[in-house]
Amino acid sequence: AQRVTQPEKLLSVFKGAPVELKCNYSYSGSPELFWYVQYSRQRLQLLLRHISRESIKGFTADLNKGETSFHLKKPFAQEEDSAMYYCALRFFNFGNEKLTFGTGTRLTIIP
Amino acid sequence: GAVVSQHPSRVICKSGTSVKIECRSLDFQATTMFWYRQFPKQSLMLMATSNEGSKATYEQGVEKDKFLINHASLTLSTLTVTSAHPEDSSFYICSARARTGPTEAFFGQGTRLTVV
Repeated sequence: AQRVTQPEKLLSVFKGAPVELKCNYSYSGSPELFWYVQYSRQRLQLLLRHISRESIKGFTADLNKGETSFHLKKPFAQEEDSAMYYCALRFFNFGNEKLTFGTGTRLTIIP
Repeated sequence: GAVVSQHPSRVICKSGTSVKIECRSLDFQATTMFWYRQFPKQSLMLMATSNEGSKATYEQGVEKDKFLINHASLTLSTLTVTSAHPEDSSFYICSARARTGPTEAFFGQGTRLTVV
């Protein structure tokens, strides 16, 4: 079954330290993966998508098909990075489009 | 950027009544809209996917007669919780994907439903 796994519910990192939020997926087809972020009292918003291979707010994520992973990384954490992060998988099941989310990781940056 | 507006943001209703939640894409046409339910401190659970002009596709375990979804236009989808019970109290979130362009979904601000 298609699934997104985020093994860490909580992650605390010191300001300036590197950050890595883990995401693994299970899908037999070609995956389309996203990272969404939710800041305090705000709605979910897109952070980045694997197709674009972009860096947003210093974050990058590389799709590793061999390890079925899409980990989110940032070399130097900033206080404003504290938020809830969700990894999401877009796929088609018998022609029906779906967008499913992992359980999320709450990232806290320690000043 | 693309904006999705969800209304109401909060609603309290009595058991047995029905509640309608609207999800509008304000500046783009959305062929596909997703409806989610989020329990406290948990992730978003996909309830159904709706496509403009056709029936919604519900996830396993979601009662389609209880959670009626209508996607009659390219900018509006509605979720009606029928004969609401206290266990339906939750945070409901919609998202919309544009007809053309990037495939990411844009999210509404969510609706907090409390059934008393």
